[in-house]
Amino acid sequence: SYELTQPPSVSVSPGQTARITCSGDTLAKKYAYWYQQKPGQAPVVVIYKDTEKSSGIPERFSGSSSGTTVTLTINEVQAEDEADYYCQSVDNSGSSHYVFGAGTKLTVL
Amino acid sequence: VKLVESGGGLVKPGGSLRLSCVASGFNFSTYGMNWVRQAPGKGLEWVSIISTRSDYIYYADSVKGRFTVSRDNANNSLFLQMNSLGADDTALYYCARGENYFEYWGQGTLVTVSS
Repeated sequence: SYELTQPPSVSVSPGQTARITCSGDTLAKKYAYWYQQKPGQAPVVVIYKDTEKSSGIPERFSGSSSGTTVTLTINEVQAEDEADYYCQSVDNSGSSHYVFGAGTKLTVL
Repeated sequence: VKLVESGGGLVKPGGSLRLSCVASGFNFSTYGMNWVRQAPGKGLEWVSIISTRSDYIYYADSVKGRFTVSRDNANNSLFLQMNSLGADDTALYYCARGENYFEYWGQGTLVTVSS
């Protein structure tokens, strides 16, 4: 299996830009997906296929990809964006099928 | 789209439990379905996927041989039979729609394995 590596935490002030990275060898060949999870709630997909924004997700959210790293960018961060963010991809190595990163806690200062 | 899980509870180590997920608001028989779990205070872990006609099924290594996923398209239902449960299986279990990624999630059902 392969791993997806995310920073454990990212902190930004309101109005600033938050960038959360996710790295893994297979991201060069497979799409990444991003989920937002607020306390006590189920995850919600915010970005699919590296860069596509899910319906109803604010314009300030975007995704990008370069080589083996994908990035979730949140422009003009608001207090309501404070959440855990997980990247996810497909693992065709046979051991897991789908894999998540460990998650990044976004704190809005 | 609505996914409602049930069947969670407290079970002793070595015990069994069967989870259910009832779907509504979409054509259940045309979507792959998954179970994803989250241990208390931990991250997300994919558990299993079942295709539309149950002709392909995959499991995470951590549950292979102990868990069995199934579906009943006539009744818009997804199931997870969990056997030989251990403390590491304690988690909130979500059913989630989709193949390649998880477009919609239920609110989860909590499984606690403890003596």
